[in-house]
Order: sequence, then C-alpha cells, then structure tokens
Amino acid sequence: AQTVTQSQPEMSVQEAETVTLSCTYDTSESDYYLFWYKQPPSRQMILVIRQEAYKQQNATENRFSVNFQKAAKSFSLKISDSQLGDAAMYFCAYRPRGGATNKLIFGTGTLLAVQP
Amino acid sequence: DTGVSQNPRHKITKRGQNVTFRCDPISEHNRLYWYRQTLGQGPEFLTYFQNEAQLEKSRLLSDRFSAERPKGSFSTLEIQRTEQGDSAMYLCASSLTTQRYEQYFGPGTRLTVT
Repeated sequence: AQTVTQSQPEMSVQEAETVTLSCTYDTSESDYYLFWYKQPPSRQMILVIRQEAYKQQNATENRFSVNFQKAAKSFSLKISDSQLGDAAMYFCAYRPRGGATNKLIFGTGTLLAVQP
Repeated sequence: DTGVSQNPRHKITKRGQNVTFRCDPISEHNRLYWYRQTLGQGPEFLTYFQNEAQLEKSRLLSDRFSAERPKGSFSTLEIQRTEQGDSAMYLCASSLTTQRYEQYFGPGTRLTVT
C-alpha cells in the first residue's frame, strides 16, 4: 500500500528566513506525481508545487522549491523568504501516474507558523 | 471560473439523522472527488466520479454513505444514520481529464454529529 509520512507536526520560521518541510513516501510504482498542498486556516486547499517522478530536475515555483530524492523516496519542500501569508497547514500528497486510481494520498500535515 | 463550491459550509446534526452535502465543481470539470478530513489528519479519499459514473469507492465509504453525480454536474454525498465518528470536514475536488495532475478543492463542509 502506498503511504505518505510527514514527521514534523509543527514547524516555525522567522519572517524572511528559509524553512524546509519533510515528506517521505512508500510505493512500488515507478511513475507517479508528488504534490505539496497548502491549507490556510478556514480556507480551501491550494496546490503549491508538483513533481513528476520521471523528471530528475527539482520543481521550483517562485519562493517554493522541492528536493526530490527518488531512491530515498523523499520529497521535501523549501520555502525561501518566508512571509506571514505562508502560515498554514502543508500537506504532502502522492498519486500514481498510470492506472485507474486518481485519488490523492495525503500525509498528516505540517503546521507552519511564521513569526514576525 | 468561480471555483469549487460546497454547501452547506457547516452542519450540526444529532446522531441517527441523515445529512446531505452538495458539491458544485468547476464548470466543465469532468472528474469529481470526495475526501474526508478529521482533526489532525490529512484528507482521506472517499470516492471518485468521471462524468456521472462512480469509478472508485474507498473502503471508508460504508453502506451508510452514498454519493451521486446526476448528469455529470454537481454531486451529493449523503450520510444516513449519522454517528459521532462521522464528524469531520468533507472536501470536494474537481479536475479535467486533460489536466493530468491538479485537483481543485472546495472549502469543505464541516459536519458535527452530537
């Protein structure tokens, strides 16, 4: 069974600093997608960044970047120049690329606090 | 594009009552998903529709749960004979077949069973 593990229930970062959120996953599939979703308090979840497993290059979206280590099954999110608006719950998620399954498998989340 | 909407946003019900939630996906999105999120946990998949066909159901979806998507547009999720363990946030998401990866989430319906 595919699983996603986020071992940091809470993290804190100073405004303008950099923080890294960890995620590991387990799968026997060779082709899949990995995602980081952001869920602000009382607001809907939005996609922050995605990574296709067949791509060796790490994905980057503005201040957000990932460190994808396929062999280690590790997928961490780095937030640079942290802003107050980055405070939210962050979920790592996995989805196989092929087959009939379209469901996302989520980790338990990391609550990020940004200190002014 | 108004995004995914869900109604109601909050529902308080007594144990044993039936409840129904509605999800309106983004226009022309042919795929629709339901997830359940309990406190301190990530969302867990419940079921998935492509157009009006329900193609996948989780083992979490007991006989008391039923989901429909008539005409491939909005979807409803009904819970019969609610139990306190059903208290959770119910999330809906939608996507296009041509979008290989992104699911757009609604704000959720928070259910409290007393």
